[in-house]
Amino acid sequence: AQSVAQPEDQVNVAEGNPLTVKCTYSVSGNPYLFWYVQYPNRGLQFLLKYITGDNLVKGSYGFEAEFNKSQTSFHLKKPSALVSDSALYFCAVRVTAAGNKLTFGGGTRVLVKP
Amino acid sequence: DAGVIQSPRHEVTEMGQEVTLRCKPISGHNSLFWYRQTMMRGLELLIYFNNNVPIDDSGMPEDRFSAKMPNASFSTLKIQPSEPRDSAVYFCASSLRNRWLSGRRSQETQYFGPGTRLLVL
Repeated sequence: AQSVAQPEDQVNVAEGNPLTVKCTYSVSGNPYLFWYVQYPNRGLQFLLKYITGDNLVKGSYGFEAEFNKSQTSFHLKKPSALVSDSALYFCAVRVTAAGNKLTFGGGTRVLVKP
Repeated sequence: DAGVIQSPRHEVTEMGQEVTLRCKPISGHNSLFWYRQTMMRGLELLIYFNNNVPIDDSGMPEDRFSAKMPNASFSTLKIQPSEPRDSAVYFCASSLRNRWLSGRRSQETQYFGPGTRLLVL
């Protein structure tokens, strides 16, 4: 079975500081990894994904994520956080053997303070 | 592109009533997913379809829930009878499942609708 863990329920960061949202996964097979962001009263928006190739993936709004196979992690990062980055962030994993289902983590709430 | 369209955006109903949620996927997409989001349980996959055929409904809570996809551009999620514990935000998502694209297996991204906020009193 595949699973995703987001160990932090909430991350607080000052505007302009680096932002990291952690994600670890457990799969049997090659993972496809995704990050989504959810703003209040909105649906999930796709940020970025890792399929294969370079371990560092760049996505929307200045976000990037690094795939680390040995640590089974896919942490989301942004060098300089904005107040508007305050939202709920979800990590998700998919394994082709499981069809095209995504398994989501529990979400991490990011609060960027001015 | 209009994106995934869901209706209604908000629904308030009384316990025991039938509730029907609607979804129009992105044109050309051939996979459709229904999710439920609550504070207690997070984001749960209820059911998904490939080419209008239900593939995995293991997440459907019980027989009160049913989903259909009569054609490629429309799906419904029905709750009958509804109960207060069904109160949640229900999301529909769609993706393009194209097994081989330019010689490589494609890895489709799911795009979500704005959700339907359901409150059962």
